[in-house]
Amino acid sequence: DVKVTQSSRYLVKRTGEKVFLECVQDMDHENMFWYRQDPGLGLRLIYFSYDVKMKEKGDIPEGYSVSREKKERFSLILESASTNQTSMYLCASSLPQGDNQPQHFGDGTRLSIL
Amino acid sequence: AQSVAQPEDQVNVAEGNPLTVKCTYSVSGNPYLFWYVQYPNRGLQFLLKYITGDNLVKGSYGFEAEFNKSQTSFHLKKPSALVSDSALYFCAVRPPGYKLSFGAGTTVTVRA
Repeated sequence: DVKVTQSSRYLVKRTGEKVFLECVQDMDHENMFWYRQDPGLGLRLIYFSYDVKMKEKGDIPEGYSVSREKKERFSLILESASTNQTSMYLCASSLPQGDNQPQHFGDGTRLSIL
Repeated sequence: AQSVAQPEDQVNVAEGNPLTVKCTYSVSGNPYLFWYVQYPNRGLQFLLKYITGDNLVKGSYGFEAEFNKSQTSFHLKKPSALVSDSALYFCAVRPPGYKLSFGAGTTVTVRA
């Protein structure tokens, strides 16, 4: 089974801090994704990556950046955390063949910005 | 622009009764369609997908979904619901060459 591991389940940070969320997958997937999940809004794509050192903006990239130095690891960075970034963050990975491959998700990081 | 609608925020059914979770979409072209389930404090799990072919797709845990092109719908169904099916369900749509878009989610509660 594919395993996507997010380094923290719960995280509390302060406004203005630089925050790192880490994600590792063990199935050699090319594609990796970061989403945030908010009640009533579903999942919204922040950034995604199709290969090492490659990144593309999703629907809501403002205030975030990403890093993919190794194939198995995809990091989400909040440059200067703000209270409106309090949310559940989900990482996912998938195979690259076509558009019909399902995404495999980690268990999420619930981030609170105080 | 593409959009996915799950018209019901909540669905409540008795155990043993049929369960239906609705999804409609508005996208260009012939999209790929997915259902995911999220149990409390967990990430999303893939249930099933429609690519092409038979309009009735079978997936995990006894779930199936019916694709209706004329109504642009992809409703999730289970003939006999279990209490353990209580969870948050997401429909997702991906037109070829575009990103995956998720609906807002439907909370299913199955009472014993």
